[in-house]
Amino acid sequence: EAQVTQNPRYLITVTGKKLTVTCSQNMNHEYMSWYRQDPGLGLRQIYYSMNVEVTDKGDVPEGYKVSRKEKRNFPLILESPSPNQTSLYFCASMSQGRIVAGELFFGEGSRLTVL
Amino acid sequence: DQQVKQNSPSLSVQEGRISILNCDYTNSMFDYFLWYKKYPAEGPTFLISISSIKDKNEDGRFTVFLNKSAKHLSLHIVPSQPGDSAVYFCAARGGGAQKLVFGQGTRLTINP
Repeated sequence: EAQVTQNPRYLITVTGKKLTVTCSQNMNHEYMSWYRQDPGLGLRQIYYSMNVEVTDKGDVPEGYKVSRKEKRNFPLILESPSPNQTSLYFCASMSQGRIVAGELFFGEGSRLTVL
Repeated sequence: DQQVKQNSPSLSVQEGRISILNCDYTNSMFDYFLWYKKYPAEGPTFLISISSIKDKNEDGRFTVFLNKSAKHLSLHIVPSQPGDSAVYFCAARGGGAQKLVFGQGTRLTINP
């Protein structure tokens, strides 16, 4: 089954404790991206990657890091989480051939709470 | 600076009637527009899209209309069914950017 898998799905942590949200896709997609969803703000892009070893900032990259060492994986790293990073996070992937159409496949989301 | 706006946070429609969800945008360089649907505890899923060279695209019960002069697009669902109850996000792409810009979302509730 084609899917984007995120872990953990739910996490409560404390300010300053480094954490990583993993994302893996099994569709051999070149493009991957991270979004955060906040009330009244919709989905905002954090980082994206066009392919292995190619990453770029989205609209709200502050406080986040990413890496793309393998095609299937695109982890999101919060080096020193703060309460304003409490949000619902989505990983998404897309085939290079569908980039013009913008048809993203999303994971189920990871709800992060930073106390 | 919200380039894509969905001004209605929620919409309630009776089953069998038409649902119309609206979206406005400000960037005239957008060349592709999409609608995504999201159920609780799930990720958004792609629903329908339209290129800026068209003014209408239809897929079953779903039709998207694009009015470039007004920088406005709408999603029509006819007839509305209970399973259509979800949050709908419009999104736009273009201007040389590979990213999608999303609206805030509209929660659609279909009442029996």
